[in-house]
Amino acid sequence: QKEVEQNSGPLSVPEGAIASLNCTYSDRGSQSFFWYRQYSGKSPELIMSIYSNGDKEDGRFTAQLNKASQYVSLLIRDSQPSDSATYLCAVNDNQGGKLIFGQGTELSVKP
Amino acid sequence: DGGITQSPKYLFRKEGQNVTLSCEQNLNHDAMYWYRQDPGQGLRLIYYSQIVNDFQKGDIAEGYSVSREKKESFPLTVTSAQKNPTAFYLCASRGEGFTAPQHFGDGTRLSIL
Repeated sequence: QKEVEQNSGPLSVPEGAIASLNCTYSDRGSQSFFWYRQYSGKSPELIMSIYSNGDKEDGRFTAQLNKASQYVSLLIRDSQPSDSATYLCAVNDNQGGKLIFGQGTELSVKP
Repeated sequence: DGGITQSPKYLFRKEGQNVTLSCEQNLNHDAMYWYRQDPGQGLRLIYYSQIVNDFQKGDIAEGYSVSREKKESFPLTVTSAQKNPTAFYLCASRGEGFTAPQHFGDGTRLSIL
């Protein structure tokens, strides 16, 4: 059974701090990795995609991928209360274009 | 605007009743997916389709059925055999290539009367 694991949280950080969200996955053949943000009662929204080892930055967001350690993370710099949401890590299944989702990490940014 | 439209936003099911959730996309995507999300949980795959007139079961297909007669439409029927249907249902589509991300509609919240 292919799995994606995330800390369920909640993760609480003060406004302006760096929030660090972590994800591990079991399938060594996975090639694409995604972070989705889901506000309460809403659908998931894609915020980052990463395909190769290293860092990828987009504004205040940085995704980090280490395929050898089967680890992907999301850093949110200068966290804002509007960043408070559940963050879902998703990893592609090599067969059929499916995504395997983690349980999500709830982030709370305190003013 | 291009996107994925799910309807209705809220749906109520009576005992013994089948209900159908609509999912339409105008993104010209071949692949479409249905997920179920329970409170505090991740997404679980119900069914997916990579091409018109073809679909595959996901991890929790029992009690559900789908059809894919048109590229832009992938309706999900929650049958009376699904004993615990109360959940948030999400439809997604994927652009070209297995490594492309999926994008979601706004979801349908199904409850039991």
